[in-house]
Amino acid sequence: GNSVTQMEGPVTLSEEAFLTINCTYTATGYPSLFWYVQYPGEGLQLLLKATKADDKGSNKGFEATYRKETTSFHLEKGSVQVSDSAVYFCAFNNAGNMLTFGGGTRLMVKP
Amino acid sequence: DTGVSQNPRHKITKRGQNVTFRCDPISEHNRLYWYRQTLGQGPEFLTYFQNEAQLEKSRLLSDRFSAERPKGSFSTLEIQRTEQGDSAMYLCASTGRGSVYEQYFGPGTRLTVT
Repeated sequence: GNSVTQMEGPVTLSEEAFLTINCTYTATGYPSLFWYVQYPGEGLQLLLKATKADDKGSNKGFEATYRKETTSFHLEKGSVQVSDSAVYFCAFNNAGNMLTFGGGTRLMVKP
Repeated sequence: DTGVSQNPRHKITKRGQNVTFRCDPISEHNRLYWYRQTLGQGPEFLTYFQNEAQLEKSRLLSDRFSAERPKGSFSTLEIQRTEQGDSAMYLCASTGRGSVYEQYFGPGTRLTVT
């Protein structure tokens, strides 16, 4: 069935370190892929998206590339900040309907 | 503020009571979604509406749950005879015709069943 697997957290990094959060998915057809972020005490916010193979989504220094051959959508950032501390969710949306989410990865960035 | 709003933000109820949550989507968004998120997990789809029509329901939505969107604007989610396992964050999201694949989430309603 449809599912998203993302690396378990928490991921703890020092400020300015490189970030990778792995995400792989199992879905039928050609889903659109998303990363959502949830800051402490706030709701889910769309961080970036990619709608077809080889597309690269980017926002606020974060990037992820839609890799159809490996069914992956890994999130990367070259230099994290303390303000990036949050929970990150990988998700896909097939046929314009519901989102299927991964379990979330908590990122903690220390000064 | 033109974002998705949800009320109440927090609800504490005793087991067996009925509760109702409200979601106001972004104005003119025709699709509205409900999700449930338990602690430490990702959100799980419950149901969605296109205008006033409820088009899909998850098997997670037992017969104690009912959702409505009577005029195609706001939506309500009612849980009857609440159980402790219903304790979760209930999230609402909406999306418009021009961006079918981008869902905008509200802050959620946190339900605690004691």
